[in-house]
Amino acid sequence: ETGVTQSPTHLIKTRGQQVTLRCSSQSGHNTVSWYQQALGQGPQFIFQYYREEENGRGNFPPRFSGLQFPNYSSELNVNALELDDSALYLCASSLDRTTYGYTFGSGTRLTVV
Amino acid sequence: GIQVEQSPPDLILQEGANSTLRCNFSDSVNNLQWFHQNPWGQLINLFYIPSGTKQNGRLSATTVATERYSLLYISSSQTTDSGVYFCALTGGFKTIFGAGTRLFVKA
Repeated sequence: ETGVTQSPTHLIKTRGQQVTLRCSSQSGHNTVSWYQQALGQGPQFIFQYYREEENGRGNFPPRFSGLQFPNYSSELNVNALELDDSALYLCASSLDRTTYGYTFGSGTRLTVV
Repeated sequence: GIQVEQSPPDLILQEGANSTLRCNFSDSVNNLQWFHQNPWGQLINLFYIPSGTKQNGRLSATTVATERYSLLYISSSQTTDSGVYFCALTGGFKTIFGAGTRLFVKA
């Protein structure tokens, strides 16, 4: 049984650029949730995907978008990067839209300069 | 919206000491979970505990849903227990995390 893997582990981007973060779900998990964790804070929910469709969204602007693929891997895309987007981005996979029994990845540390 | 407050914000322990972490929440509980975030950033689920008491080795947790709080007990702490402990509540499709308790266990 594989865990959740995220890539890249670290990334530096310039304000105004676009970024794509990737997540490979745990085997058998069909739901993925993305979280943003600013330094010293708890993770904040961005959105959830279930079977390739967005299942729910937190208080994030439309420039945060996602995709889930048939193999249940997923992407988080952020356009027009702002300095405040600097954070650890975590994805978590689960089964059938549950929000417990999460398996989290180790995250992507994004720095916007 | 759901509010989750954790205390204390920071905690330093000598190896072998016991500790209690608290989580207060503002709404009725469907799912309450405790997580540990290790120094490398990974979140590990410790307990799913909407009510009652559970134990797993040196860790145990109690949730009193009617009084809207949960406690995480760490006994005989070890240096590997260091990291951040989060309490999190689920409302619908999203999970609301508290700000965490940062624990450092000294050898």
